[in-house]
Amino acid sequence: ETGVTQTPRHLVMGMTNKKSLKCEQHLGHNAMYWYKQSAKKPLELMFVYNFKEQTENNSVPSRFSPECPNSSHLFLHLHTLQPEDSALYLCASSSRLAREKYNEQFFGPGTRLTVL
Amino acid sequence: QKEVEQNSGPLSVPEGAIASLNCTYSDRGSQSFFWYRQYSGKSPELIMSIYSNGDKEDGRFTAQLNKASQYVSLLIRDSQPSDSATYLCAVIEGIQTGANNLFFGTGTRLTVIP
Repeated sequence: ETGVTQTPRHLVMGMTNKKSLKCEQHLGHNAMYWYKQSAKKPLELMFVYNFKEQTENNSVPSRFSPECPNSSHLFLHLHTLQPEDSALYLCASSSRLAREKYNEQFFGPGTRLTVL
Repeated sequence: QKEVEQNSGPLSVPEGAIASLNCTYSDRGSQSFFWYRQYSGKSPELIMSIYSNGDKEDGRFTAQLNKASQYVSLLIRDSQPSDSATYLCAVIEGIQTGANNLFFGTGTRLTVIP
């Protein structure tokens, strides 16, 4: 595996289900991100992890719960979602050092989530 | 509120022409600028990064940055139908905040007509 991988690629779930999205990066990066992409809207940053520590929670509802066990893996646990949460969820990683401006982020293929 | 503005398009150009994509940003302290290409149904792919005023060329792509005008652009020379995609502009706010997070525009949809 190379780059950033995400599973599953497609997910359909009911509002009462619990599911998890998985992201793995093979780039030796130390920072990982979750983004939400909805139609006609800019990419929305959800969570940032830097060296396994969460450094940003962008006012995301608690029905989204991230987990970062190490610098290579990132999960997004989903619980009691709403239909408006249907979107493309993208994981990204970067080599992010303190005060480093060269924060090139590389994206995984995304998970297309549909909430019924 | 950080804002990154792009014309949503669609921008249509004939094959072989130069496509010009523009982006403005609101945070005067922004330091780093990126262009991503996103094909329909796919994830964003980084194609250019620029950090200093002026031009940066990579193959058929040229990024132009003017910090005084808070303006960054992407030129695609000899446009090909395979360049048809949505192009996302992304900006990192001033590094003094320590956040170094990307802010994205909504993207410009480019269609290259054979």
